[in-house]
Amino acid sequence: AQRVTQPEKLLSVFKGAPVELKCNYSYSGSPELFWYVQYSRQRLQLLLRHISRESIKGFTADLNKGETSFHLKKPFAQEEDSAMYYCALRSDVDSSYKLIFGSGTRLLVRP
Amino acid sequence: KAGVTQTPRYLIKTRGQQVTLSCSPISGHRSVSWYQQTPGQGLQFLFEYFSETQRNKGNFPGRFSGRQFSNSRSEMNVSTLELGDSALYLCATRKAGGYNEQFFGPGTRLTVL
Repeated sequence: AQRVTQPEKLLSVFKGAPVELKCNYSYSGSPELFWYVQYSRQRLQLLLRHISRESIKGFTADLNKGETSFHLKKPFAQEEDSAMYYCALRSDVDSSYKLIFGSGTRLLVRP
Repeated sequence: KAGVTQTPRYLIKTRGQQVTLSCSPISGHRSVSWYQQTPGQGLQFLFEYFSETQRNKGNFPGRFSGRQFSNSRSEMNVSTLELGDSALYLCATRKAGGYNEQFFGPGTRLTVL
């Protein structure tokens, strides 16, 4: 079964501390993985996708197929990073575009 | 350019009623997907429409239906509402072909009493 697991509901860190938001997936094919972010009172928006291998707002995520993980990392957290983060897997059955989301992790960066 | 718009933003209905939600995609976006977001189940895929055809459907009962018009606008309908249908319904749109980012709307908050 296709599944995305985010084990932490809440992650609280101090400003300047490193952050790692965990994401594990189960998928039989070649996965396409994303991180989405939702800031307070804003829409859900794409943060980054594994294929692009970009660093967005200082965040990076590496796909580890052996561990079936796609953890989101940032070396120095900022208060403005406080938000809800969702890991998502694209299921491309018949070329449709279906995202399977994890339950989300709330990141709270304290001053 | 204008983002994805959803109407209405808030809706209160009673059990047994039906409801129709609307989604207007970003200009040029022909794929429209719907998601249900609840505290218990999180974000769950409802269905995707492309060129007025449903391409995929999530694991929801037949009470949930949708359609897409020739201008790519989409509606979803929930009949015989149940208390458990209370949720935030999100619409997401994207351009067709290859990889194109999916953009989400603000959602419609449905409360069933």
